[in-house]
Amino acid sequence: GAVVSQHPSWVICKSGTSVKIECRSLDFQATTMFWYRQFPKQSLMLMATSNEGSKATYEQGVEKDKFLINHASLTLSTLTVTSAHPEDSSFYICSARTGEVNQPQHFGDGTRLSIL
Amino acid sequence: DQQVKQNSPSLSVQEGRISILNCDYTNSMFDYFLWYKKYPAEGPTFLISISSIKDKNEDGRFTVFLNKSAKHLSLHIVPSQPGDSAVYFCAASASTGFQKLVFGTGTRLLVSP
Repeated sequence: GAVVSQHPSWVICKSGTSVKIECRSLDFQATTMFWYRQFPKQSLMLMATSNEGSKATYEQGVEKDKFLINHASLTLSTLTVTSAHPEDSSFYICSARTGEVNQPQHFGDGTRLSIL
Repeated sequence: DQQVKQNSPSLSVQEGRISILNCDYTNSMFDYFLWYKKYPAEGPTFLISISSIKDKNEDGRFTVFLNKSAKHLSLHIVPSQPGDSAVYFCAASASTGFQKLVFGTGTRLLVSP
């Protein structure tokens, strides 16, 4: 149980393109979903927290107009990197959890984004 | 300010022996702690967790110990297997709000046959 699917797993696109990444909880309802970014050999850095039906909460230093998050249902959240540039190239990972206290986040397999 | 620290970037252990991975935290508001295992280019996989009301939680070969006074937790893997080779992250959260996780920097475990 507790499977989170993330799609696509790999994206290569030209600078200026907008890229959408989907995160789905397959076998549970995710009250809250999280989006992380990981640079090589570094830890996961939280970008934003999203709750179904409400606006996402962004961490300090993360541009909300650059990284658009939509959590339209209890099983789907999307991250859109708008007008992507080479510095946006990174490994993006989503996670999801139920609303119960002290339950773990379950992670997708990540999306490798490469902007040329 | 690194609120969750894993001071050992790497650890090598022989198959069959015990692996001990350590984690320290500074925020006294943290009351829920987790260990994740991660392979390159994949998302983290949840291993085991512990809440602050306990000092030990065991699941098969994995045991997590929590020392609240020292703000320290550890993950014991026994016996270690080559398939355990991966990067291990500890994470911590407070049971308020959305329980955002703060991750440590990770420890790369290598279990040799």
